[in-house]
Amino acid sequence: DAGVIQSPRHEVTEMGQEVTLRCKPISGHDYLFWYRQTMMRGLELLIYFNNNVPIDDSGMPEDRFSAKMPNASFSTLKIQPSEPRDSAVYFCASSTNRNTEAFFGQGTRLTVV
Amino acid sequence: QKEVEQDPGPLSVPEGAIVSLNCTYSNSAFQYFMWYRQYSRKGPELLMYTYSSGNKEDGRFTAQVDKSSKYISLFIRDSQPSDSATYLCAMSSPSGGSYIPTFGRGTSLIVHP
Repeated sequence: DAGVIQSPRHEVTEMGQEVTLRCKPISGHDYLFWYRQTMMRGLELLIYFNNNVPIDDSGMPEDRFSAKMPNASFSTLKIQPSEPRDSAVYFCASSTNRNTEAFFGQGTRLTVV
Repeated sequence: QKEVEQDPGPLSVPEGAIVSLNCTYSNSAFQYFMWYRQYSRKGPELLMYTYSSGNKEDGRFTAQVDKSSKYISLFIRDSQPSDSATYLCAMSSPSGGSYIPTFGRGTSLIVHP
């Protein structure tokens, strides 16, 4: 398996634009996580899904953020409208039930100017 | 106060030194304790995990958990320049049948030749 695949690797966008980040989890994994990493706050859990259903989105900072998982092999994180303070590295991770290890993608480095 | 506290460093040591990395936590429900290693521009990868209290050794790495003090440590013996990375502690407790990790901010380690 190629691991968790995220795209794009880098995204530079202007304030106010819509940004969509994509993730393909490891096949067979039934948990999917979206994290945001910054120097100031470290790695923060934004939302996680179990069997494509959102379970906990309490970490989503604002209504500008939304996430979907239309099927077991694809998820998106959307920011609309984007703001400079959204600049961070966004990671997607997946795991199996009763498995403590989360497998991370390479991340998407988002810069909002 | 965050659930998991970790000094971000950076921690700079000479090659061959013994490194001690630490985290404290406040949630007594945590049962699994993990250390992830993150190289620059990469996603975190699981290095070691322990269940409940005690020690676990894997080559040059030793993970230690003291639940009574809510304190965990990672020791690296004979440190190498290739150990230079950010080390994130993570902890989890059962939540609906799975274990959702909560991460520390990470400690940046630099091992210089």
